[in-house]
Order: sequence, then C-alpha cells, then structure tokens
Amino acid sequence: GQQVMQIPQYQHVQEGEDFTTYCNSSTTLSNIQWYKQRPGGHPVFLIQLVKSGEVKKQKRLTFQFGEAKKNSSLHITATQTTDVGTYFCASGASSGDKLTFGTGTRLAVRP
Amino acid sequence: GAGVSQSPSNKVTEKGKDVELRCDPISGHTALYWYRQSLGQGLEFLIYFQGNSAPDKSGLPSDRFSAERTGGSVSTLTIQRTQQEDSAVYLCASSSQGASNQPQHFGDGTRLSIL
Repeated sequence: GQQVMQIPQYQHVQEGEDFTTYCNSSTTLSNIQWYKQRPGGHPVFLIQLVKSGEVKKQKRLTFQFGEAKKNSSLHITATQTTDVGTYFCASGASSGDKLTFGTGTRLAVRP
Repeated sequence: GAGVSQSPSNKVTEKGKDVELRCDPISGHTALYWYRQSLGQGLEFLIYFQGNSAPDKSGLPSDRFSAERTGGSVSTLTIQRTQQEDSAVYLCASSSQGASNQPQHFGDGTRLSIL
C-alpha cells in the first residue's frame, strides 16, 4: 500500500522563527492535502494541491507540491504560538483511492 | 450546517466489556472513515465506507473490532471484550465522495479509557 512519510516528527522553535515540514512518497501522488490538529482538537483541513509544482499561500503558510508529485512541503514564516499543533499531509495515489494520512509533524513554539 | 457528530465524547469502561461508538456524518456525505489516535501519535486508519460499496476493513486491528453503517448515514464502531491497549481517541470523518481529492471533515472524537 501507499506510504507517506513526514519529517521531522517533532520540532520546537522560538516564536518568530520559520518552520518547515516535509511529506515524501515513493510513488506519484494524485493530490496532497494538509491538515492541522491543535492540541486536544481534531484535524482540520487547510488546503489541497493538485498540480505538479503548485504553490499556494495562506497568510504566513506556504504549501508546495513537488514537480514529480512525490513530495510536498508546508512552510510557516515567523511562527506564532497559535501555530502550535500537529500538521498532517494526506494523499491518494489516484483520485479514486481513499485518503492516506502521513505520520504528522508536531510543532511546539516557545513564546 | 451541522458538522460530524460523535457520541459519546468520553467513555470509561472496564476491561472485557463491549463498547459502541457512534458517528453521524455530514448530511449527504457518502464517504465515512474511522481512525484511532493514541496520545501524541498519528492517525491510525481503521475502516472506510463509501456509498453502497463493501467497506474497506483493512485497518481493523483485530476481530474484536467491527463497524457498520446503516442506511448510508450513521455508523457505529463496536469493540468487543475491550483491552487496555484499546484506550485511545476514536475519530470519525466524512467526505462528500470517497475520492482522495475530497477534504475530510472530522468529528470531535470519542475518548475511550479502558480500566
């Protein structure tokens, strides 16, 4: 079955520093989605990328889909304490596949 | 409109008892997923329902776990003869279709504690 690995597993940054999490697959992906789970909460959908090389921005968050559609990244500029949580990527090998979640990256921010 | 609703929000039970967890998806969503999340861990896929198709049960950890979805809407996850390692948050999600390009909408989960 398809496996999606995320790195790092955990990152602790000083408020104001940047943060990046990476999602890697050994197979070509149809699409990639990103979710955020706050502590004690449930995952919430952030965005979906579909096209090779696609870049999307949401305020301080930048999402990229690799040219080969095998990897993706989420970059947060100037982290804030409200960014704390676990970020998951999720994808399918084809649009008809069920969504498979990555292992997640937990972000902690020191005020 | 209403989101995904799960009940109970918390369940504490003794080892060996059976438990039933309920998920009410967003109206009109044909796909429904169950996940398990242990403290500080990722999402463990359990089972997936899509429309009238046979469910994908490939994630169920043992035959003590079963799920059904009646009338294409409400789903119940049943755990028989609970064990302490079953303690976790059980999350349900629904999407408008079963395709991987549809966002999943999660409920608040059921926190299950086995004494």
